[in-house]
Amino acid sequence: QSALTQPASVSGSPGQSITISCTGTISDIGGYNYVSWYQHNPGKAPKLMIYDVSDRPSGVSSRFSGSKSGSTASLTISGLQAEDEADYYCSSFTSSSTVVFGGGTKLTVL
Amino acid sequence: EVQLVESGGGLVQPGQSLRLSCTAFGFSFGDYDLSWFRQAPGKGLEWVGFIRRKGHGGTTEYTASVKGRFTISRDDSKRIAYLQMNSLKTEDTASYYCTRWTFGGVMVWGQGTLVTVSS
Repeated sequence: QSALTQPASVSGSPGQSITISCTGTISDIGGYNYVSWYQHNPGKAPKLMIYDVSDRPSGVSSRFSGSKSGSTASLTISGLQAEDEADYYCSSFTSSSTVVFGGGTKLTVL
Repeated sequence: EVQLVESGGGLVQPGQSLRLSCTAFGFSFGDYDLSWFRQAPGKGLEWVGFIRRKGHGGTTEYTASVKGRFTISRDDSKRIAYLQMNSLKTEDTASYYCTRWTFGGVMVWGQGTLVTVSS
């Protein structure tokens, strides 16, 4: 069982927006602004999409945005595109100086 | 180009040891913390541990499931990080990724190396 809780799957049609939630505790998401989101396709290295809760690395589309409220973080993808179909993982630094992940969310673009 | 290249993966029997290497290119190696992640077949991403830069003590942190069995070290003169894995278990079977570590999110990942623990 993962330390952070994500939905197993989400889906949306091209052009729509979807949001993936990630719930933790005061010891991780709720206590630090060190929340990140990764896009992962099989056989490839994960790709950082959001860091420090809501910042986007250079080169990542502005269609991706992150936020946090209390111990729940969220990744929103607007204007869904077929290329967005992948697994998405949230991650947080913790009060034990460790890192925890969510179980991953499979995004299907219908 | 900033790059991390892992090596050393392979097939080992339960109880045996294996050492993974991670060679860095294109950045000032000694100025960064480094971490290892893994993904078991059909499972999600998992953090294994990290090692701080020498200037921050060079100390290490590990996930509970590998503490006491795995050791992360670094040789800044060679620009290499290591993951020494002892007493390997079948559940350690995974692709292992070396990364340039920052607390808020990991931007630089290696391509991964596969470790298979099986009799």
